[in-house]
Amino acid sequence: DTAVSQTPKYLVTQMGNDKSIKCEQNLGHDTMYWYKQDSKKFLKIMFSYNNKELIINETVPNRFSPKSPDKAHLNLHINSLELGDSAVYFCASSQDVSTDTQYFGPGTRLTVL
Amino acid sequence: SQQGEEDPQALSIQEGENATMNCSYKTSINNLQWYRQNSGRGLVHLILIRSNEREKHSGRLRVTLDTSKKSSSLLITASRAADTASYFCATNAGNMLTFGGGTRLMVKP
Repeated sequence: DTAVSQTPKYLVTQMGNDKSIKCEQNLGHDTMYWYKQDSKKFLKIMFSYNNKELIINETVPNRFSPKSPDKAHLNLHINSLELGDSAVYFCASSQDVSTDTQYFGPGTRLTVL
Repeated sequence: SQQGEEDPQALSIQEGENATMNCSYKTSINNLQWYRQNSGRGLVHLILIRSNEREKHSGRLRVTLDTSKKSSSLLITASRAADTASYFCATNAGNMLTFGGGTRLMVKP
């Protein structure tokens, strides 16, 4: 009965590879997000989708491409991985764009070697 | 730059003591939220206070908001070892939340 789930939990890969992280929410929410948390624990919004449409894109390199096949899923594809992409990536969802409360997934720890 | 900044960055107390964390922000907000993150886990929403509210309680949590000073505080009373976690404030100034860097709280048994 997990509300927001992400796969994989851990991802270790070489520089230059392409990888995807998947996110699903079973809360019936309209809005989903991707955040990046760096080694100093700062959490930054990357993207937000509302009902499958992109509404926030916070100056993220175009190597990062989110895809929302339906409003319950928001996947993150990363091309040509770089060392600086190593971080924990969190997916979250909220009822709608008013973002009164967000529900977070458990995170995906990405390590680029 | 971060919209919200927590103070202190780290806090260590004994079980039973109260813990106070502060958050300052820069722009006008619709609401301010506090989240908790246990090590290796996602963030969990604790409490939301709207811009027209000054204080809110939830169990052992008390949040205050001073919009004139652009600051908020989170008080955890009678702390327990299980309260050990990082606590983040997040400001809602439109259609997204902006998080601070967090306060790492350690409660020693």
